[in-house]
Amino acid sequence: DTAVSQTPKYLVTQMGNDKSIKCEQNLGHDTMYWYKQDSKKFLKIMFSYNNKELIINETVPNRFSPKSPDKAHLNLHINSLELGDSAVYFCATTQDRGSDTQYFGPGTRLTVL
Amino acid sequence: QKEVEQDPGPLSVPEGAIVSLNCTYSNSAFQYFMWYRQYSRKGPELLMYTYSSGNKEDGRFTAQVDKSSKYISLFIRDSQPSDSATYLCAMRLTSGGGADGLTFGKGTHLIIQP
Repeated sequence: DTAVSQTPKYLVTQMGNDKSIKCEQNLGHDTMYWYKQDSKKFLKIMFSYNNKELIINETVPNRFSPKSPDKAHLNLHINSLELGDSAVYFCATTQDRGSDTQYFGPGTRLTVL
Repeated sequence: QKEVEQDPGPLSVPEGAIVSLNCTYSNSAFQYFMWYRQYSRKGPELLMYTYSSGNKEDGRFTAQVDKSSKYISLFIRDSQPSDSATYLCAMRLTSGGGADGLTFGKGTHLIIQP
């Protein structure tokens, strides 16, 4: 049973569209994250979310918005997609804000045409 | 200069060889160091976690930290084809805090030839 799952696995879309990526975890963890891994393989944190407290990396455009319907889910909604948004997006979790061990999902490969 | 530098490779070695993967960093305040392994089309998974300087061994893997040189290494003994993956180093100033303040290297792509 997959601990951290993401859907879809691949997403190809046109510039200007709005899309969502979903993340679900069955570990019972309190804290969830979204990362972006670009074509140069740099992995950068975008958001941290814990008990409705959202910490945003200040470099993330406001076209990106995380939404958490419940503790097990953290979805990423992206408005007005741009070419530079093409990347692999990873969801991750930690047991709580104080834990170091992160559990990553398999990633969603987003391609914007 | 980027905070964490890591040679992207690819690094190709024959099966059974000892592999040495390295990262250098510029922020001398980093104290906690991690190595993640990422298989193709998968998310990273934590492999080793060390604090400050010194060595830590886990099976065929040894993590080494030299804070005076701002240099960390991951050694893999008796390398296997299943070790073929991208290895990312990561580091932080303090413990805890999940992903907050965690800085990753770009990863080294390792290929173990059977």
